[in-house]
Amino acid sequence: GAGVSQTPSNKVTEKGKYVELRCDPISGHTALYWYRQSLGQGPEFLIYFQGTGAADDSGLPNDRFFAVRPEGSVSTLKIQRTERGDSAVYLCASSLTSRTGPYEQYFGPGTRLTVT
Amino acid sequence: AQSVAQPEDQVNVAEGNPLTVKCTYSVSGNPYLFWYVQYPNRGLQFLLKYITGDNLVKGSYGFEAEFNKSQTSFHLKKPSALVSDSALYFCAVRDPSSGNTPLVFGKGTRLSVIA
Repeated sequence: GAGVSQTPSNKVTEKGKYVELRCDPISGHTALYWYRQSLGQGPEFLIYFQGTGAADDSGLPNDRFFAVRPEGSVSTLKIQRTERGDSAVYLCASSLTSRTGPYEQYFGPGTRLTVT
Repeated sequence: AQSVAQPEDQVNVAEGNPLTVKCTYSVSGNPYLFWYVQYPNRGLQFLLKYITGDNLVKGSYGFEAEFNKSQTSFHLKKPSALVSDSALYFCAVRDPSSGNTPLVFGKGTRLSVIA
């Protein structure tokens, strides 16, 4: 079946611009996660959705970052006033419920964001 | 707070030889442990997990991992390495007793299998 998809695969933007990154999870997965992976590092948690609501946004680095999942499926990660330090690969993952369950997460291919 | 350590940045092994990629963890309760693999320009792929029960878990592509509670380790192993196993491997942990906690990943270990 179809896996997690993310668009765009690459995004180059200028410092100060606004960007949106999209994630389409596996059908039927109620949990959706965003991570950020910098070069030479493991993925770092940003935000977790259970259905439409953000159950945990403790990983968002500051208020320039925001994510939505209005219908409980597709999610959009939004970054305002981008900075060069935001450059990274942004990964989306989905899983069956729940936040403390043993379900493995399935990852998309990521969006490589470069802020110039 | 939960954490994961992968002490080796790079592991080199000859094709056909056994391989081990090390992982140690720190959680307050009983952990859920996972291994993922990342190929170039690809997303992370799930390999295997330990939740409870048998300490030796088997996963995809002939990989297995052994949970050792006394040593707080969850090393990834394969009896005979293939060149195609060359990739970046990540160990991850979740502590279900701590409530709403995210999956925490190690920094990754690059495995290079030499023909």
